[in-house]
Amino acid sequence: AQSVAQPEDQVNVAEGNPLTVKCTYSVSGNPYLFWYVQYPNRGLQFLLKYITGDNLVKGSYGFEAEFNKSQTSFHLKKPSALVSDSALYFCAVSSGGYQKVTFGIGTKLQVIP
Amino acid sequence: GAVVSQHPSRVICKSGTSVKIECRSLDFQATTMFWYRQFPKQSLMLMATSNEGSKATYEQGVEKDKFLINHASLTLSTLTVTSAHPEDSSFYICSARDTGRSYEQYFGPGTRLTVT
Repeated sequence: AQSVAQPEDQVNVAEGNPLTVKCTYSVSGNPYLFWYVQYPNRGLQFLLKYITGDNLVKGSYGFEAEFNKSQTSFHLKKPSALVSDSALYFCAVSSGGYQKVTFGIGTKLQVIP
Repeated sequence: GAVVSQHPSRVICKSGTSVKIECRSLDFQATTMFWYRQFPKQSLMLMATSNEGSKATYEQGVEKDKFLINHASLTLSTLTVTSAHPEDSSFYICSARDTGRSYEQYFGPGTRLTVT
């Protein structure tokens, strides 16, 4: 069975500092990896995905993520955090385009002014 | 592009009544839609996969007779919570997979259901 681990319930970072939100996964075969962001009482917004190709994936709002096959990780990063980045971030994995997507438990990002 | 709407955004109903939630893909066709349930401070739990023109596939532990799903067109799926109870109170989120871009899911804004 596939799974996603987001080891940090919350990440606090000062505005302007780089941020990292960690994600590791387990799946059979080649992974399809996703990051979503959720603001309070809202649905999820797609940030970025990795299917194949370059290990460094660039997404919306200046976010990027690095796929590391040997460490089965897909950490989300941003060079300079904004207060408006404060939200709940979900990592997700699937084993293929038509397969079920499994979400992590989410990491709350708090950017401190 | 790729907008998914849900209606209503919030609903309060009395115990024992039924509530219908609509999920629409506004600018693309969605052969497949998904219904999730999210509890406070928890991840999304997939309830069922809805395929246009066929029966929905329910995840283990989800009562198909209680959570009725209908996907009558390529742009509309509905979730009906029948005989609702307070424990059904939750945040329900749908997503739609763009038929032309198979692996991307687009999420609706969610529906907050409160059963009193």
